[in-house]
Amino acid sequence: EVQLVESGGGLVKPGGSLRLSCIASGFSFSSYTMNWVRQAPGKGLEWVSSISSSNSYIYYADSVKGRFTISRDNAKNSLYLQMISLRAEDTAVYYCAGSDAAAGYWGQGTLVTVSS
Amino acid sequence: DIQMTQSPSSVSASVGDRVTITCRASRGISTWLAWYQQKPGRAPKLLIYAASSLQSGVPSRFSGTGSGTDFTLTISSLQPEDFATYYCQQANSFAWTFGQGTKVEIK
Repeated sequence: EVQLVESGGGLVKPGGSLRLSCIASGFSFSSYTMNWVRQAPGKGLEWVSSISSSNSYIYYADSVKGRFTISRDNAKNSLYLQMISLRAEDTAVYYCAGSDAAAGYWGQGTLVTVSS
Repeated sequence: DIQMTQSPSSVSASVGDRVTITCRASRGISTWLAWYQQKPGRAPKLLIYAASSLQSGVPSRFSGTGSGTDFTLTISSLQPEDFATYYCQQANSFAWTFGQGTKVEIK
């Protein structure tokens, strides 16, 4: 059974930092591009960042560029998102998703709330 | 960035109805288009990839068509478990973009 389990979300003050983690099982993690997608409360889906299977390619949405860093450890089947300089508009559920032609594997999400 | 525009934003339908949702890309994306279903409090679920390929395990009442800029998701006979929000997503560029979503509600 495929599982993606996110952790690391929580309440943080504006300007603060958080590190999200996603642990994968049940599929060949090292063969998949991995992604972070977020969803603000009551809003639609927003792509945040992607990292290719071998770390060769990394991309960010303009809204997070320079503040968020995606990384992965294929030996640990793990994906990470380091977030700094957090803003109120970063408040969202953050999903990790594994993709080939499209995002076929999703975690349950972790909520990040940025508020004073 | 490629913009994705879905219509309608919501639709009211009855069990057994045929439902069609459209998605338009701001420029051509070949068939780099996926459709997702999302229920409240749940992660999105992939239904269709490459515009018309049915994801494994997804019922055959779901189908997708289109290429270039215009795409369609059709539910041939709406079932109670299909009431949800549907999103299109382009994967033509590394910067994915999603449509704003279409909520399928019970009539």
